[in-house]
Amino acid sequence: GAVVSQHPSWVICKSGTSVKIECRSLDFQATTMFWYRQFPKQSLMLMATSNEGSKATYEQGVEKDKFLINHASLTLSTLTVTSAHPEDSSFYICSASQADNEQFFGPGTRLTVL
Amino acid sequence: QKEVEQNSGPLSVPEGAIASLNCTYSDRVSQSFFWYRQYSGKSPELIMSIYSNGDKEDGRFTAQLNKASQYVSLLIRDSQPSDSATYLCAVAGGNEKLTFGTGTRLTIIP
Repeated sequence: GAVVSQHPSWVICKSGTSVKIECRSLDFQATTMFWYRQFPKQSLMLMATSNEGSKATYEQGVEKDKFLINHASLTLSTLTVTSAHPEDSSFYICSASQADNEQFFGPGTRLTVL
Repeated sequence: QKEVEQNSGPLSVPEGAIASLNCTYSDRVSQSFFWYRQYSGKSPELIMSIYSNGDKEDGRFTAQLNKASQYVSLLIRDSQPSDSATYLCAVAGGNEKLTFGTGTRLTIIP
């Protein structure tokens, strides 16, 4: 399967700071990437769909000004959590889409906001 | 609203037996169906995809799709302790977005 990386794998930050998470497709070009959030013992919740060269499409209830997404190239999408608060603490996972809707997930980033 | 339903479990299966995981979906126009395995604290890993009615086998895994009944299942033969994980069913329509079930926690008992 395709390989997707994420960086950092974990981050601890103070309330009010911003955190950037990178998602890279290592061995294929991904015109579409997805950002998910997963709280403990819950399933994945799609936050937004990131398309190369265009604005991201956010799911209902996700604040686009708080979760900034940039898909600058066919192999890189970034998610910036702005002015993070403790309730933003979660497991953030990106995925990249190949043919036939197959999505391959990055290893995830565990964010803890103090 | 598109829904994907799974029994949350936990499902306990003796080592060497067959584990059977089931999933139903509500959107009749769904086209693509996936099973992901997620170990605790890790991200999901794609293990099977299926697009047409019938069975698809890959090693110890068999996915079964019945679009008329709107269900998809995953069979794991010769279950191993390393198969213990949460299995997520995911369904896609025509827009690449996946809708996930809540997952079934599987425990293989040695």
